[in-house]
Amino acid sequence: QQQVKQSPQSLIVQKGGISIINCAYENTAFDYFPWYQQFPGKGPALLIAIRPDVSEKKEGRFTISFNKSAKQFSLHIMDSQPGDSATYFCAASMGGNKLVFGAGTILRVKS
Amino acid sequence: GAVVSQHPSRVICKSGTSVKIECRSLDFQATTMFWYRQFPKQSLMLMATSNEGSKATYEQGVEKDKFLINHASLTLSTLTVTSAHPEDSSFYICSARPTGTGGYGYTFGSGTRLTVV
Repeated sequence: QQQVKQSPQSLIVQKGGISIINCAYENTAFDYFPWYQQFPGKGPALLIAIRPDVSEKKEGRFTISFNKSAKQFSLHIMDSQPGDSATYFCAASMGGNKLVFGAGTILRVKS
Repeated sequence: GAVVSQHPSRVICKSGTSVKIECRSLDFQATTMFWYRQFPKQSLMLMATSNEGSKATYEQGVEKDKFLINHASLTLSTLTVTSAHPEDSSFYICSARPTGTGGYGYTFGSGTRLTVV
C-alpha cells in the first residue's frame, strides 16, 4: 500500500516532442504528489507538485495530470529538450511525512 | 528558495573507519530531516527520519548502530557511517522539510558519494 509504481523505466524522445511518465499509487491517504528531476551525481530537485484536490497543474513546460479515482498521476514535459535528459522520480507522501518514491524513469531527449 | 547543503560531496575511506556526513538547511529551520541511500540506477531508499532533539526513526532493515544520526539543531543533521565496509559504498542524500510551512516543501541536498576501500 505504500508503493508508488512508475513507468516506463526508460524513455527516448525526439527534441521538441512530449515526454510522458506515469505513476500509480494505492494508498488513498497520500495527499502530496511531487515530481523530482535528478542529474548524475546530484540530489533530486523538485520540478512540480500537486495536491489531490486539483486535477492538473502546469508550470512552464511541465504539467502534472492527476486522476484521483484511478489513483494515477503523470508528468508531461512539453517541447522536450536535450537538457531535460535526466532521471525523473514521482513520489507521494501523507500528512507531510516521509516521501515514498517511484522507481525512476531515465529520459533521453535526442537532438 | 530553500537550500540544503550537504558535505562532503565525495569521500573515500578505509574499511573499518567511520565517516560523518553533514546536512545543513541554510536559509530555513528544519525540525525534520530525512536520510536516503541510492545505489546506481536505482531509486532513493529512505534510511531514517531525524527529528531535532529526539532519536531518529529508522526504516526496517537499517542498522541503527551502524548508521548513527544526530539532529542536534534546527539546521543541522549528521549521519555517521561507523566501521564502514565496501558494501556501505553508496550515494547518500539528505532532505529537509521547513518547519511551520505545512510540511510539504522537501528540499534535497546534493548528495555524498561514499567509497569504502
